[in-house]
Amino acid sequence: AQTVTQSQPEMSVQEAETVTLSCTYDTSESDYYLFWYKQPPSRQMILVIRQEAYKQQNATENRFSVNFQKAAKSFSLKISDSQLGDAAMYFCAYRSEGEGGSQGNLIFGKGTKLSVKP
Amino acid sequence: EPEVTQTPSHQVTQMGQEVILRCVPISNHLYFYWYRQILGQKVEFLVSFYNNEISEKSEIFDDQFSVERPDGSNFTLKIRSTKLEDSAMYFCASRQGGFRKLFFGSGTQLSVL
Repeated sequence: AQTVTQSQPEMSVQEAETVTLSCTYDTSESDYYLFWYKQPPSRQMILVIRQEAYKQQNATENRFSVNFQKAAKSFSLKISDSQLGDAAMYFCAYRSEGEGGSQGNLIFGKGTKLSVKP
Repeated sequence: EPEVTQTPSHQVTQMGQEVILRCVPISNHLYFYWYRQILGQKVEFLVSFYNNEISEKSEIFDDQFSVERPDGSNFTLKIRSTKLEDSAMYFCASRQGGFRKLFFGSGTQLSVL
C-alpha cells in the first residue's frame, strides 16, 4: 500500500521569505500523481499544485513550485515571497494512475501547519 | 469555477441516531468520493463511487455507512447509528475522468454527542 509522510508538523516563515515543505512517499507503482492541498482555518481543501510522475519537469504555479525527485520518492513544496494568506495546513497527497477502483483515491499525509510572521 | 455543494455545513446529532450528509457534485463529473477528517488529523478516504456503484471503500467504511446517488444529482452519505468517534469533518469530492482536478466541497462538520 502507498503511504505519504510529512515529517514537519509545523513550519514558520517570515513574510516575503521562502519556505520549503517536505513530503516523501512510498509506492511500487511507476505512474502516479502527486498533489499539494492547502487547508485554511475554514477547512476548505484547496488544490495548490499537482505533478504527474512521468513528467520530469517540476510543476510551477505562480509563487508555488515543487521539487519532484522520483528516484528518492520526494515531493517538496516551495513557497516563494510568502504572504500572510499562505498561513494554513498543507497536505501532500498521492494518487495512483488510471481510472476506477482505488486508482482514483487520494492518500494524504498528516499535514504541515505553516505560520507566516509579519 | 464550478463547485461541489455540501449541506448542512454543521450537523449535531445524538449517539445512536442516523444522519444523512448531502452533496451535489459538479454536474458533468463521473467519480464521487467521501473523505473525512477528524480534528487535527489527516484527511482519510472513505469511499469512491462510479457508474452507480461503490468502486472502493476503506476499512473505516463499515456496515454503518452507506452511499447513494438517488437522482443523478445528489450524492449522500448515511451513517445508520452514529458513534462518538464519527465526529469529524466529512468532505465530498468529485472529478471527471483522466488526470482531472478533484473538486472538494466545503465539508460538513458532524458532531456526535
